[in-house]
Amino acid sequence: NAGVTQTPKFRVLKTGQSMTLLCAQDMNHEYMYWYRQDPGMGLRLIHYSVGEGTTAKGEVPDGYNVSRLKKQNFLLGLESAAPSQTSVYFCASRPTGRGNIQYFGAGTRLSVL
Amino acid sequence: DAKTTQPTSMDCAEGRAANLPCNHSTISGNEYVYWYRQIHSQGPQYIIHGLKNNETNEMASLIITEDRKSSTLILPHATLRDTAVYYCIVRAIFGNEKLTFGTGTRLTIIP
Repeated sequence: NAGVTQTPKFRVLKTGQSMTLLCAQDMNHEYMYWYRQDPGMGLRLIHYSVGEGTTAKGEVPDGYNVSRLKKQNFLLGLESAAPSQTSVYFCASRPTGRGNIQYFGAGTRLSVL
Repeated sequence: DAKTTQPTSMDCAEGRAANLPCNHSTISGNEYVYWYRQIHSQGPQYIIHGLKNNETNEMASLIITEDRKSSTLILPHATLRDTAVYYCIVRAIFGNEKLTFGTGTRLTIIP
């Protein structure tokens, strides 16, 4: 039972490079989320999706794009990475109903030099 | 979403009950109290949530005061694996999708 799987686990980028973080869930959840966590801070919502083919902005969306072409996958893209995007990125998913109980992946640690 | 206030850190002896407080004096009638925890270098983990009645599950108990302005998460028999940052979050069931994670309480279980 994999739950929420994030790839890669670690990545180092140079300023200006692009990359895509992949989140996959095998629980048939409708909702998926991307958060970032900076040292000493709580998680902040970047983008989210309420179903296949939909995306919406969270509280810190600038510099990121997302896509949800398949229900089980939620991609987070950085078109031109900046040092300010150095962070730990967490993906989460949840089913419809059951309140807002979100299930999180293990995280992707990204450094932008 | 209502703002929450938690102590920065707490210690608890292994095997004892850990009681983690949270103040949410501006909570609205349709807002629930959620607790998550984050063990070092892992993603957050859901623990429990409630509206106004006390709740218990296999992980913990949640005690919400009658005026709903504060709550306490209780880990009945703390183990070393309970060492983590615990987040108290207040959110309406319906509405915006944001879960507002503050800085939480760093709970250290002492052998």
